Amino acid sequence: AQKITQTQPGMFVQEKEAVTLDCTYDTSDPSYGLFWYKQPSSGEMIFLIYQGSYDQQNATEGRYSLNFQKARKSANLVISASQLGDSAMYFCAMGARGAKNDMRFGAGTRLTVKP
Amino acid sequence: DTGVSQNPRHKITKRGQNVTFRCDPISEHNRLYWYRQTLGQGPEFLTYFQNEAQLEKSRLLSDRFSAERPKGSFSTLEIQRTEQGDSAMYLCASSPRTVETDTQYFGPGTRLTVL
Repeated sequence: AQKITQTQPGMFVQEKEAVTLDCTYDTSDPSYGLFWYKQPSSGEMIFLIYQGSYDQQNATEGRYSLNFQKARKSANLVISASQLGDSAMYFCAMGARGAKNDMRFGAGTRLTVKP
Repeated sequence: DTGVSQNPRHKITKRGQNVTFRCDPISEHNRLYWYRQTLGQGPEFLTYFQNEAQLEKSRLLSDRFSAERPKGSFSTLEIQRTEQGDSAMYLCASSPRTVETDTQYFGPGTRLTVL
């Protein structure tokens, strides 16, 4: 069974600094994808970044990068140059490739950016 | 705006009543998903469709829940005889089901409160 673990219920970061949000996963599927989503107080889940299990390079999208360490089964999200608008819940998720695609989410990390 | 839309955004109902939610996916996406999110938790998978076919249902989807996607476009989620435990955010997502990734794009959600 797939499992996603986010061990940081809450994180604080100073504006303009970088922050790392932790995510570890467990799966027996050989092929899978890892995702990060941002959920502001409005409730909408906003897709941030994707990493495939066979991708050789770590994914990057603007200020977001994914520190993927396959052997350690971790997929940490790094946000550089934090902005006040980054304050939100962040969810790590995993989906298996192939016919099934019931994506599993972690419990989330609440990030607060301080001015 | 060509994102996923959901209606209504909020629904308050009395226990025992039936409710129906609608989701309109991104037009070229053939996969559609329903999730439930309770306070302080990540979304939990309920069911998904590929075109009009419902391919998988979670054990969370009790007999009181039914989902349809009759023409492979919009989808409805109905809850019969609502219970207070059904109070949650119901999220809909869609994906293009490409070979490379099944990134799911979420709608704003429908928040259900059962009194």
